[in-house]
Amino acid sequence: SQQGEEDPQALSIQEGENATMNCSYKTSINNLQWYRQNSGRGLVHLILIRSNEREKHSGRLRVTLDTSKKSSSLLITASRAADTASYFCATVAHYKLSFGAGTTVTVRA
Amino acid sequence: NAGVTQTPKFQVLKTGQSMTLQCAQDMNHEYMSWYRQDPGMGLRLIHYSVGAGITDQGEVPNGYNVSRSTTEDFPLRLLSAAPSQTSVYFCASSRGGSADTQYFGPGTRLTVL
Repeated sequence: SQQGEEDPQALSIQEGENATMNCSYKTSINNLQWYRQNSGRGLVHLILIRSNEREKHSGRLRVTLDTSKKSSSLLITASRAADTASYFCATVAHYKLSFGAGTTVTVRA
Repeated sequence: NAGVTQTPKFQVLKTGQSMTLQCAQDMNHEYMSWYRQDPGMGLRLIHYSVGAGITDQGEVPNGYNVSRSTTEDFPLRLLSAAPSQTSVYFCASSRGGSADTQYFGPGTRLTVL
């Protein structure tokens, strides 16, 4: 069953702009993970944020977690054409990993 | 390290045929899993294994078998292929189990006619 739901389903931005996508979930979690999938490829892990953490950074990526609202956001700053991909949040609840349906991000040159 | 490898990349089957999707990892990960990815539905867990000789069912196990005789290999068998099994299949492994970072293979695109 899908625990996390991403919003929006699709996002189109200009190169250099920031991209923000959100993930909402229903039950308490152990951690939340974000993955990227380029077209026709496997998923690549981006960031894992634990339930007791509020924010994590990795390069141009910033992830926040608000457990009171049961939501997370992924911000990509200064986007590049290579950031064109689908982004998935995955929640871990009771040590079960569940993926959302993803946000498709297109970065226009 | 090759990471997680999957073969074949593409496969076309006729209804009723059987086949095995291969998955191997060279990271000495105890936890391995199989997912299917269908449009608009995210990834759904088929089967998983917490170590050699131990497997368990995920969310959508019907029509699939797995075994884990070694730490490195985790093959997925389709017993009698059906059109509903047309999908992209991903194998993943992790050091610390389902709650840890997952490392994914490149996927197998399967079409069942």
